[in-house]
Amino acid sequence: EMQLVESGGGLVKPGGSLRLSCAASGFTFSDYSMNWVRQAPGKGLEWVSYITSGGGYIYYADSVQGRFTISRDNAKNSLYLQMNSLRAEDTAIYYCAKSEIAVPGTLGAFDVWGQGTMVTVSS
Amino acid sequence: SYVLTQPPSVSVAPGKTARVTCGGNNVGTKRVHWYQQKSGQAPVLVIHYDSDRPSGIPERFSGSNSGNTATLTISRVEAGDEADYFCQVWDTTSDHRVFGGGTKLTVL
Repeated sequence: EMQLVESGGGLVKPGGSLRLSCAASGFTFSDYSMNWVRQAPGKGLEWVSYITSGGGYIYYADSVQGRFTISRDNAKNSLYLQMNSLRAEDTAIYYCAKSEIAVPGTLGAFDVWGQGTMVTVSS
Repeated sequence: SYVLTQPPSVSVAPGKTARVTCGGNNVGTKRVHWYQQKSGQAPVLVIHYDSDRPSGIPERFSGSNSGNTATLTISRVEAGDEADYFCQVWDTTSDHRVFGGGTKLTVL
């Protein structure tokens, strides 16, 4: 069974940093692109960042560009999100999500999701 | 940036058909994916590439996409279908993935 398990969330003060991790199992992690998606309390889903299978291409939402860094360690089947200069508006559940292999010319959907880890930014 | 617009809520009686729309400029030229999120749970992919059902998703779930509107259709709605539904596309201009604001489906 394919599984993603996030960790590293918690309470942090504005301006602080946090590193999230996502442990993958049940599939060949190094074959797939991965994403971080977040959801503020009572709000919708917001895509945060994307990294290709080998880490060669990385994209960020405008809201986190320059503050967050996505990375992966294929030897450890793990995905990471380094979050710096955190703001109150970064408060959310952060989900790790696997991208499916895409139909040529498109991008695949997020076909496997973790249960999420809560990040609260507050003084 | 590309914007997807969904109605905040849709209500339907059990056994009837629910339609959740997702509006965007020429969204018919993009491939739309749909996710179901039940209360307190992670999202689940229910439709990808406009109209294809992933393994394990009931045939009652279907999708279409044309012009400026994509539609998720749920036939013979059950109480267990009550959830938030989100559409999502790839904005090729920015290389960003974009979600709609979500629609809360209430089963009366």
